[in-house]
This record gives sequence, structure tokens and C-alpha cells, in this order.
Amino acid sequence: AQSVTQLDSQVPVFEEAPVELRCNYSSSVSVYLFWYVQYPNQGLQLLLKYLSGSTLVKGINGFEAEFNKSQTSFHLRKPSVHISDTAEYFCAVKGTGNTPLVFGKGTRLSVIA
Amino acid sequence: EPEVTQTPSHQVTQMGQEVILRCVPISNHLYFYWYRQILGQKVEFLVSFYNNEISEKSEIFDDQFSVERPDGSNFTLKIRSTKLEDSAMYFCASSRVNYGYTFGSGTRLTVV
Repeated sequence: AQSVTQLDSQVPVFEEAPVELRCNYSSSVSVYLFWYVQYPNQGLQLLLKYLSGSTLVKGINGFEAEFNKSQTSFHLRKPSVHISDTAEYFCAVKGTGNTPLVFGKGTRLSVIA
Repeated sequence: EPEVTQTPSHQVTQMGQEVILRCVPISNHLYFYWYRQILGQKVEFLVSFYNNEISEKSEIFDDQFSVERPDGSNFTLKIRSTKLEDSAMYFCASSRVNYGYTFGSGTRLTVV
């Protein structure tokens, strides 16, 4: 079975500062990795995904993430955040085959003006 | 861009009542899922559905829950006798292959 750990439940950051949201996973099989964003009172929107190939993945809204197999990590980064990035961010992992997508507990990013 | 549509957006029901949450997946998708998110907690897997049958389900998905794809376009989640602890946001998702899910906006279920 797969599991995801998001080490930070809340991350406050000033506007235009860089941010990194940490995600570690565990799995006994090859995985696909995802980051989703949830704005207040809204659904889950896919930010980016890693399926195979280049370990640096670029997503929407200027976010990127790097898959590190040796560290079993998939940290999310943005070089300069905006107020509008304030949201809950979920890391998720899926094993190859017919296993479900498993979410982490989420990290609440609060961007301060 | 194609969307997964969920109705209603918010449902209030009395404890013990049956409730049906409805979802219209993306038309060429083959895999369908239900997840739930209790307020302030993580998103939890309930069930996956493929080829007109349940392919995987979690411990949460007990006999009170059932899913159906009644007409080739809708995908429903039924809770037979709701409990207070069923109050949550329920998300439907679909995918063309068994990754890359597209989620709906969710149905907020409140059991009173």
C-alpha cells in the first residue's frame, strides 16, 4: 500500500517570497505522484503530475515539483507566491496497477501581503 | 475543458435517511471514483468502479454504501441510512486510464 506524509500542516509566507511544500511517500511499487490544490469551498484541481521521464515537473500557476526517488520525495515549489495562491495543497500518490490514489493530510499555504 | 459534474452541491438530510449523490463523469472516461473529506481532514478514498463493477473499496465503504452507474452517464453514491459522522464533502472523480483523475466540485453532505 502507498502512503503520503506532508510534513507541514500550515505554511505562512510573505507575498513574492519563494515557497516549498514538502511531501514524502512510501510505496513498495513504482508510483505516480500528484499535487492538487483546493481553494476555499471548492473542489480539487490538479496542479501537476509525475508519471515518468524528467524528474522536474512543471504545472499550472508557476508551480513545479521534483521527484526524488532516493529520498522518496516530491516537494512542490514556487519561486514567488501571490495572494491568490492561498489554498490547501494536497500531495497524492498512486501505485501502478489498480490501486487507488492516496492523499496526504494537506498543507495550508497562507500568503501574507 | 471537460468537467466532472456533481449534484447537488449541498444536501442536508436527517439521520437515518437515505441519500443519493450524483455525478456525471467525463464522457470517454472508464474509471470512476468516490472520495470524501470530513471537514478539516484529509481526502479519503471510498471506492473505485470499472467495467460496471467495484474494483477496489476502502474500510469506510461498508454495507451502508453502494454505487451504481445506472444509465451509462451517471455515477451515483447511495448511503442507505445516514449517520452524523457521514457529514463530509464527497468528491466524484473519473479517469480515462487508471491515473490522472479529474475531480468534481463536490457535494457537501450535512447530516442533522
